[in-house]
Amino acid sequence: DTGVSQDPRHKITKRGQNVTFRCDPISEHNRLYWYRQTLGQGPEFLTYFQNEAQLEKSRLLSDRFSAERPKGSFSTLEIQRTEQGDSAMYLCASSPYISRSGANVLTFGAGSRLTVL
Amino acid sequence: GQQVMQIPQYQHVQEGEDFTTYCNSSTTLSNIQWYKQRPGGHPVFLIQLVKSGEVKKQKRLTFQFGEAKKNSSLHITATQTTDVGTYFCALPTGTASKLTFGTGTRLQVTL
Repeated sequence: DTGVSQDPRHKITKRGQNVTFRCDPISEHNRLYWYRQTLGQGPEFLTYFQNEAQLEKSRLLSDRFSAERPKGSFSTLEIQRTEQGDSAMYLCASSPYISRSGANVLTFGAGSRLTVL
Repeated sequence: GQQVMQIPQYQHVQEGEDFTTYCNSSTTLSNIQWYKQRPGGHPVFLIQLVKSGEVKKQKRLTFQFGEAKKNSSLHITATQTTDVGTYFCALPTGTASKLTFGTGTRLQVTL
């Protein structure tokens, strides 16, 4: 296992089209996160899964966004009816679950860059 | 919600000069993490600080957690061109299951 893999690396689409991104986390990590990053900004949290359960969603995640992790392994992030404001880098990260208060250390993938024309 | 300010936003130094970035939270933190993102790359974990007043070193990098656990700093001694990138602090928020990233400090190093 070489780390967190994301596909595709780049996606150019027209406004109104649907796009889907895939993330394959580190196999022994049971937590998976999606973040969005725009130029010059820090990553913004979108959602996270523990195994197959989606435990938290940001208010940034409008109803056009949906994420799944059906078998607790890979995850998909779908954006429906894309808008120009959706243009960003979508980062996936995974971490092992830590049962105490210690924060999870995130291992990020290389990201999927979305450009909406 | 939790506010995470980092200063400065940008710093340009000559190789060999020192660099410091500061991260300030409006709330007391259980811990803090630091990440580095090279240009065109993705964030990479550097370190986690947990204890009040904790100081950790990684070669030329020194990380400090404030006594009140509301702020942290990253200091680089004698910068090199390989230090170029954006440095983010990241704080556990909500149930501590997710991280909120700071605004970042972009470091540029020239010869």
